[in-house]
Amino acid sequence: QLQLQESGSGLVKPSQTLSLTCAVSGGSISSGGYSWSWIRQPPGKGLEWIGYIYHSGSTYYNPSLKSRVTISVDRSKNQFSLKLSSVTAADTAVYYCARTDGDYWYFDLWGRGTLVTVSS
Amino acid sequence: QSVLTQPPSVSAAPGQKVTISCSGSSSNIGNNYVSWYQQLPGTAPKLLIYENNKRPSGIPDRFSGSKSGTSATLGITGLQTGDEADYYCGTWDSSFYVFGTGTKVTVL
Repeated sequence: QLQLQESGSGLVKPSQTLSLTCAVSGGSISSGGYSWSWIRQPPGKGLEWIGYIYHSGSTYYNPSLKSRVTISVDRSKNQFSLKLSSVTAADTAVYYCARTDGDYWYFDLWGRGTLVTVSS
Repeated sequence: QSVLTQPPSVSAAPGQKVTISCSGSSSNIGNNYVSWYQQLPGTAPKLLIYENNKRPSGIPDRFSGSKSGTSATLGITGLQTGDEADYYCGTWDSSFYVFGTGTKVTVL
């Protein structure tokens, strides 16, 4: 059964770059024609889509974050990654990775999430 | 700020029915499929409904989805204490994905 697991630094200083990885286990990241997304949730608030990488390798980002976000995939390691630059306290959130149907737009499998705090 | 509006909260007694609305526009709900997610306290969201009204394997038929024009609705019948959670709608909007504002369901 496919599983997703986020990992990365839980504490990032303001102005630095947040880096997270989502490891895919129980199956290949390249099979099924799926796409892969990052979604975040500030404490006590709602969900915000960050962006995704299509199975073809194309990327799409939330316009509000586009200038600071990079999503990439490493098929040899069966994982995909998120980099968010110039972070501020407003970027403090639980970050989720999710498998995405890029044609009909839904997230059918989620990681457990990882809390990233931006603080000096 | 989300462009999909949901009521902040709904409540009902066990066994009763609740409906959660998700109001959008022609650029999002009006021209794209809607999905719904359940987030139990302290856990990751889970897909409940996709393509407006389809249920993934393992989701009971107590959960249903519908769409009309620029609005979508999630229905939960036979409400159970385990249904207490936050519920979010979501859809594509022009060039990015948007989630609804979220609705907290309370079982009285």
